[in-house]
Amino acid sequence: DAKTTQPPSMDCAEGRAANLPCNHSTISGNEYVYWYRQIHSQGPQYIIHGLKNNETNEMASLIITEDRKSSTLILPHATLRDTAVYYCIVKEAGGFKTIFGAGTRLFVKA
Amino acid sequence: DTEVTQTPKHLVMGMTNKKSLKCEQHMGHRAMYWYKQKAKKPPELMFVYSYEKLSINESVPSRFSPECPNSSLLNLHLHALQPEDSALYLCASSQDGTSGSQETQYFGPGTRLLVL
Repeated sequence: DAKTTQPPSMDCAEGRAANLPCNHSTISGNEYVYWYRQIHSQGPQYIIHGLKNNETNEMASLIITEDRKSSTLILPHATLRDTAVYYCIVKEAGGFKTIFGAGTRLFVKA
Repeated sequence: DTEVTQTPKHLVMGMTNKKSLKCEQHMGHRAMYWYKQKAKKPPELMFVYSYEKLSINESVPSRFSPECPNSSLLNLHLHALQPEDSALYLCASSQDGTSGSQETQYFGPGTRLLVL
């Protein structure tokens, strides 16, 4: 079973920041938080990952709480092309299994 | 280059047919994956190959037969499928499954399979 809980859907206005929450209260010390997104009918796309520090790349920022039991993915200026299902995944540093939960369907509206 | 390619993009087959899905990557990755995704559901892991050896089989029926001929190629051979096997089949690759924070998986666009 997936170890994360996400809201099923969210709306965001174009140009505004999209903040997508994820709960992972049972995360263990060697597990990373990964975020992927899947635009309709395409393969999942890697966005960002982190262990305990906040991370930022050209796509997004990842904020992980100090106790590591939750995190937030931030898309700073959402566009219509960011409409997708966003998956938050916790995964061991070593190992193959990536278990996807139900994800959050983000709708960016003009 | 972080591209994983999959062929064909679409496939329609009868229950008595034999077909194959192909996946290729040139990132030097040594771990490759097959996932199955039904409509409006998340991807589900089917198989994992590491260094061309099968590492994980998630209790997939034998009508699905994976093959990893070399480190860049991954095939999924299909035989006697059922209509409920209709789905999007995704291929992914990663470093090698042991590289800690470098184990980002890169996905292909998928093959959309319809079994009649």
